[in-house]
Amino acid sequence: SQKIEQNSEALNIQEGKTATLTCNYTNYSPAYLQWYRQDPGRGPVFLLLIRENEKEKRKERLKVTFDTTLKQSLFHITASQPADSATYLCALGNSGGYQKVTFGTGTKLQVIP
Amino acid sequence: NAGVTQTPKFQVLKTGQSMTLQCAQDMNHNSMYWYRQDPGMGLRLIYYSASEGTTDKGEVPNGYNVSRLNKREFSLRLESAAPSQTSVYFCASITGNREGYTFGSGTRLTVV
Repeated sequence: SQKIEQNSEALNIQEGKTATLTCNYTNYSPAYLQWYRQDPGRGPVFLLLIRENEKEKRKERLKVTFDTTLKQSLFHITASQPADSATYLCALGNSGGYQKVTFGTGTKLQVIP
Repeated sequence: NAGVTQTPKFQVLKTGQSMTLQCAQDMNHNSMYWYRQDPGMGLRLIYYSASEGTTDKGEVPNGYNVSRLNKREFSLRLESAAPSQTSVYFCASITGNREGYTFGSGTRLTVV
């Protein structure tokens, strides 16, 4: 069965450093991958989408990579700030449209001042 | 621009009671979705509506029904609530030229 793995343990990082979160998947050939941010008590907020034919995508301090051979996406936040503290979710979608998106369980990031 | 609005924000039900969760979006999105989020399980799709007038089952539809009332509104109904339906419910929407869902702020439901 399809499986998406995100590190369930919280990631603690010092302010100013680069945070790197991992999303691994098995038994899946996604056409695209999304990353979302979720704050406590709130709904997820969309951050970035990367397609299977793209290696890397950037948006301000965010960078996402997508390696379909390793079946892995890395999500980087450079110059991290305490305001970046949140849970980050990855979601994989196939060519069947957005109704086929499967979400990971998320990794909690804590940026320490 | 409010985005996706969900009501109520919190609800406690007794086993066997029924209720309807409301969702409305003001972004003219075609597709709307209901997810539930449980600890350690991730977001799981209950039902979706790809366009006005259509609805389809997702991964975990048992015990739920939906109505796409119009393009703006998509409601989720629990006919006979069970403790296993204790969860946080999120409504989301998207349209063709967008890359990610817009989510509501969620409804925290407890069934006792």
